[in-house]
Amino acid sequence: ETGVTQTPRHLVMGMTNKKSLKCEQHLGHNAMYWYKQSAKKPLELMFVYNFKEQTENNSVPSRFSPECPNSSHLFLHLHTLQPEDSALYLCASSQGQGGYEQYFGPGTRLTVT
Amino acid sequence: TQLLEQSPQFLSIQEGENLTVYCNSSSVFSSLQWYRQEPGEGPVLLVTVVTGGEVKKLKRLTFQFGDARKDSSLHITAAQPGDTGLYLCAGEETSGSRLTFGEGTQLTVNP
Repeated sequence: ETGVTQTPRHLVMGMTNKKSLKCEQHLGHNAMYWYKQSAKKPLELMFVYNFKEQTENNSVPSRFSPECPNSSHLFLHLHTLQPEDSALYLCASSQGQGGYEQYFGPGTRLTVT
Repeated sequence: TQLLEQSPQFLSIQEGENLTVYCNSSSVFSSLQWYRQEPGEGPVLLVTVVTGGEVKKLKRLTFQFGDARKDSSLHITAAQPGDTGLYLCAGEETSGSRLTFGEGTQLTVNP
């Protein structure tokens, strides 16, 4: 397995469910990111981790809870989401934090019903 | 947060035509990246430009960074259906803490 992988690729969940998104990078990178991509909006940075430590939380609601157990894995735990949270959630990694080139996973298409 | 505006938002052309998409800001970026995103996939980096006035070529794609490092353009020569996708520009804030993405230009090249 190479690059950045994300699972699941598609997820449909009710507003009362709890689910988790998983991201794994096989590039030896130290920084990992969660982005939200909605139609007709720029990519929204949600969280940044560098060497497993969270360095940015872009005012994300607490119903999104990230976890980074090591530099290769990143999770996004979801609970009591709203329909407007439906979007493509992209994970990315880079060699370091800052303007390094980012490598993206294929994303998880989330639908909240 | 520095804002990046991309234009046009949508572009539909015939195979063989040339096109240019733009990425503009009122702020200065220390570097700028261009990505292409195909349906069902994440963005893939095409190029990074770092010097004002820099021009980089990638086959039929030509990228230019403005002299003042506030804007960039992507020119595609003789577009092909395989060029179809969402083109995103992303600027590195001078603080080096994050990338700021534009909304993207959705390009469709019809056979």
